[in-house]
Amino acid sequence: DAGVTQSPTHLIKTRGQQVTLRCSPKSGHDTVSWYQQALGQGPQFIFQYYEEEERQRGNFPDRFSGHQFPNYSSELNVNALLLGDSALYLCASSYSTAYNEQFFGPGTRLTVL
Amino acid sequence: DQQVKQNSPSLSVQEGRISILNCDYTNSMFDYFLWYKKYPAEGPTFLISISSIKDKNEDGRFTVFLNKSAKHLSLHIVPSQPGDSAVYFCAARPNNAGNMLTFGGGTRLMVKP
Repeated sequence: DAGVTQSPTHLIKTRGQQVTLRCSPKSGHDTVSWYQQALGQGPQFIFQYYEEEERQRGNFPDRFSGHQFPNYSSELNVNALLLGDSALYLCASSYSTAYNEQFFGPGTRLTVL
Repeated sequence: DQQVKQNSPSLSVQEGRISILNCDYTNSMFDYFLWYKKYPAEGPTFLISISSIKDKNEDGRFTVFLNKSAKHLSLHIVPSQPGDSAVYFCAARPNNAGNMLTFGGGTRLMVKP
């Protein structure tokens, strides 16, 4: 049973560019959450998708957007990249938006130069 | 405004001894608390949790204690093993807000053989 998978593993972009990160949830899960983990800090909640809609959003600008597909996979898009967007981006999946355990993927390391 | 804080960035313990990791929170709306463990190049993995209606939860070598009046929780690992060496994150979830997690900054635990 595959767990949460994310692609790509690493990514290097320059300021002003746009990036798309991808996540496939654990089998049987229908909810995907995205977190940003800056170096030396804990993960910070970006947003959560359920039934192809954004259900909750953390304190992130609208440069950060997402999408969920009918197969429950998800994308995180970041426009107009800033140096401060350099971080590990973690995807977590769970069954529904209720109080269920979240399983995390290994993350995508984004470096903005 | 950090709502969940782990004030010790690192902790070193001898194998076989007790490891105590601490976490403080400020938001009274948090009613469920979790500990995650993270190895390099992997996503966080769930370790143990506790509801605000309890003050202790035990799972094998891991015990979490919650002191609601002090807004403090701790994770005890007894006995500590070298394989426990990892970064430990405390996380909290508010009531009636789905499963959005707020993480602390993490504590790096090193268990020496």
